[in-house]
Amino acid sequence: DGGITQSPKYLFRKEGQNVTLSCEQNLNHDAMYWYRQDPGQGLRLIYYSQIVNDFQKGDIAEGYSVSREKKESFPLTVTSAQKNPTAFYLCASSIGGRAEAFFGQGTRLTVV
Amino acid sequence: GESVGLHLPTLSVQEGDNSIINCAYSNSASDYFIWYKQESGKGPQFIIDIRSNMDKRQGQRVTVLLNKTVKHLSLQIAATQPGDSAVYFCAENGGGSQGNLIFGKGTKLSVKP
Repeated sequence: DGGITQSPKYLFRKEGQNVTLSCEQNLNHDAMYWYRQDPGQGLRLIYYSQIVNDFQKGDIAEGYSVSREKKESFPLTVTSAQKNPTAFYLCASSIGGRAEAFFGQGTRLTVV
Repeated sequence: GESVGLHLPTLSVQEGDNSIINCAYSNSASDYFIWYKQESGKGPQFIIDIRSNMDKRQGQRVTVLLNKTVKHLSLQIAATQPGDSAVYFCAENGGGSQGNLIFGKGTKLSVKP
């Protein structure tokens, strides 16, 4: 089945450690996105990529990094520079900016 | 900056009643709007979309209305069911040139049996 897959579903990280969240899609979408969601809040854009080997910062990129080496994959690294990383992270993909975004099921990151 | 907002953060309705969730958008360049439903602990799911050349679009038990004059979007759910309980987000594309959707804060819909 076509879709977008995030892993792991739950992730625990010690303070000071970097951690990478996986996002894979087999929808042949050019655009991919990472959003952060805090409890009772909306979605805030971290990074997005409209094409392979290119990505742009979103509204809250500080403390995060991404890569887009393959069309299917858009991993997000939460670095130790991110001061408050505990949140629900959502990855999405779309054909482009005028099209529906399809979401993964999210990764809940907790810093312990 | 431009943003999408919702008039009501929470909405409680009786099972079987109709629900109306509202959204205000401020980017006049937006030409594509989507409503998403997010159940607890899951990713948002597409419900219905509408383009700016339309003012109404109907789906199964849902209707989206777009009023470009006052920059207002609404989602109507007919005969609300317990399974409709979720957080609903509206999103706009800001004209599409920036390549990403802009989401509102969301409205939590609770359906009372």
